[in-house]
Amino acid sequence: KNQVEQSPQSLIILEGKNCTLQCNYTVSPFSNLRWYKQDTGRGPVSLTIMTFSENTKSNGRYTATLDADTKQSSLHITASQLSDSASYICVVAGMDTGRRALTFGSGTRLQVQP
Amino acid sequence: EAGVTQFPSHSVIEKGQTVTLRCDPISGHDNLYWYRRVMGKEIKFLLHFVKESKQDESGMPNNRFLAERTGGTYSTLKVQPAELEDSGVYFCASSPSTLGQRYNEQFFGPGTRLTVL
Repeated sequence: KNQVEQSPQSLIILEGKNCTLQCNYTVSPFSNLRWYKQDTGRGPVSLTIMTFSENTKSNGRYTATLDADTKQSSLHITASQLSDSASYICVVAGMDTGRRALTFGSGTRLQVQP
Repeated sequence: EAGVTQFPSHSVIEKGQTVTLRCDPISGHDNLYWYRRVMGKEIKFLLHFVKESKQDESGMPNNRFLAERTGGTYSTLKVQPAELEDSGVYFCASSPSTLGQRYNEQFFGPGTRLTVL
């Protein structure tokens, strides 16, 4: 069964600090892995998308890593800001023929405090 | 450019009633997806349209759910009759044609929060 597990479930950090969120997956065959940010009351917004051959990708203060051998990914947030408070969702796309659906993790809820 | 829009933003109905959710994708996007998140769970796939055709509806929970995309533009998701377990947030996403693309980036709408009492 395709699954995506994220940790921690929730995290509280002080403004300006760094943090790392983890994602393990069992989706096979693998196509790509995405990190989304979801603000309260909004839809998920893509931060990064990585394919099998990419092991790191940055988007501003967000840096995602991917180890396709161990099926693990991380999202590192540098110099956190209050606006980073949101849920961060790891999403994996498989390569089932004709199917482009995504398998979602439950998300990590991040709260950045002043 | 307008993003994916969904209507209504919230809906509260009683068990047994009918509700219709609407999604307007980004203009020109052939692919349209419906997802939902029930309380405390992860977002799950419901179905996928390519233009007006259902490409994959393997995630639809049962025959109380009916999705349409007449004309290949906006889509509706009807729940009839609604049950308590249908409560959750229903997201719509769209993406452009995937021909020649490495992956299809999906753009999500804000969701419709459905509460069935």
